[in-house]
Amino acid sequence: NAGVTQTPKFRVLKTGQSMTLLCAQDMNHEYMYWYRQDPGMGLRLIHYSVGEGTTAKGEVPDGYNVSRLKKQNFLLGLESAAPSQTSVYFCASSYIWGGGGTLYEQYFGPGTRLTVT
Amino acid sequence: RKEVEQDPGPFNVPEGATVAFNCTYSNSASQSFFWYRQDCRKEPKLLMSVYSSGNEDGRFTAQLNRASQYISLLIRDSKLSDSATYLCVVNAGNQFYFGTGTSLTVIP
Repeated sequence: NAGVTQTPKFRVLKTGQSMTLLCAQDMNHEYMYWYRQDPGMGLRLIHYSVGEGTTAKGEVPDGYNVSRLKKQNFLLGLESAAPSQTSVYFCASSYIWGGGGTLYEQYFGPGTRLTVT
Repeated sequence: RKEVEQDPGPFNVPEGATVAFNCTYSNSASQSFFWYRQDCRKEPKLLMSVYSSGNEDGRFTAQLNRASQYISLLIRDSKLSDSATYLCVVNAGNQFYFGTGTSLTVIP
């Protein structure tokens, strides 16, 4: 199993350009998440999905859109990149543990380092 | 108020030392609790889940106090390879909430 993979690993954009980050998982997890990590800020949730065809906003959704057309893929889009979106982006997946409805651990992808100039 | 708060450190300890990290969370409805380890420029990886009864994995011991909304991690006999950032993570509903991390450097 590859686990969680992210493409691309690195990208440099100019202000105003658009791009899509791809996250794929092969563990059949229902839940998927996009985070950004900035120095001193910890991981902040951008958007998440609790299943195919569903998405929801997290803590910092502005400037980003997402889609979950297939269970294994979760796409993060930047329509018009801004320097404030320079960050490391992590995707993660998770699953319900046992019969109690509690989410178990998250599995993370290796990250995408995005610089917007 | 942040959902999860940790002392950012840094903690600089000699090899063989015992070090403890603490974390508090604000949502009393939180359901599951974890410590993750993150190495520089890498993704976070699960170190251990934290159970109400406390749990141990080798040199690592985690404790949870639901009444005080407090989580701890104890590392005994620190190794150079323990140098990393330790993230306290709490699950509530469909989301996970991360502390900003505590930096640990183990010195030879």
